Amino acid sequence: KAGVTQTPRYLIKTRGQQVTLSCSPISGHRSVSWYQQTPGQGLQFLFEYFSETQRNKGNFPGRFSGRQFSNSRSEMNVSTLELGDSALYLCASSPGGAWNTEAFFGQGTRLTVV
Amino acid sequence: AQKVTQAQTEISVVEKEDVTLDCVYETRDTTYYLFWYKQPPSGELVFLIRRNSFDEQNEISGRYSWNFQKSTSSFNFTITASQVVDSAVYFCALSPNSGYALNFGKGTSLLVTP
Repeated sequence: KAGVTQTPRYLIKTRGQQVTLSCSPISGHRSVSWYQQTPGQGLQFLFEYFSETQRNKGNFPGRFSGRQFSNSRSEMNVSTLELGDSALYLCASSPGGAWNTEAFFGQGTRLTVV
Repeated sequence: AQKVTQAQTEISVVEKEDVTLDCVYETRDTTYYLFWYKQPPSGELVFLIRRNSFDEQNEISGRYSWNFQKSTSSFNFTITASQVVDSAVYFCALSPNSGYALNFGKGTSLLVTP
């Protein structure tokens, strides 16, 4: 069974640009969550999607957005990039039928903003 | 508000030593879920265990064991006879019953040397 796939693995963007990251969950999983990991703030929850609907949202500015498609694949978008957006972005998938089942993470996308 | 504290930033042990990673949490919820994840250098978070707030039984899985004590709001993780492959960053996380969002601690970096 394939795991969670995140693409691309690495990205370098310039301040002010926008970026789109992709996440393909484990087959059959309907919930996708996104997390930002930085050395200073650690792992922080961005948002969670279930059946194409955002179910939960963390405390991030509106520049961070996401969506989920009917095949459960998810994308997150960051507009007007800032240097502080440099981070490892992790995607997690879970069956989603009930709250708080274990989440399986991808290897992440390393975003560097210069 | 929920909070997870992992007071140990870094731990270094010699192979075959036992090591305990501490996790203290704060929550006002009566129902909640606790997790431990391992993050090897590859970056992917690997699920280790999930425990709900009504299940205070200790858990043992091979060399890993977990001690959940609601009275002290702690969910500690012990590795017995540590091995070099155990070297990683370990995260404790808390999730509310009202939605899927993991609140992570800052992590404990474990280094096991031969």
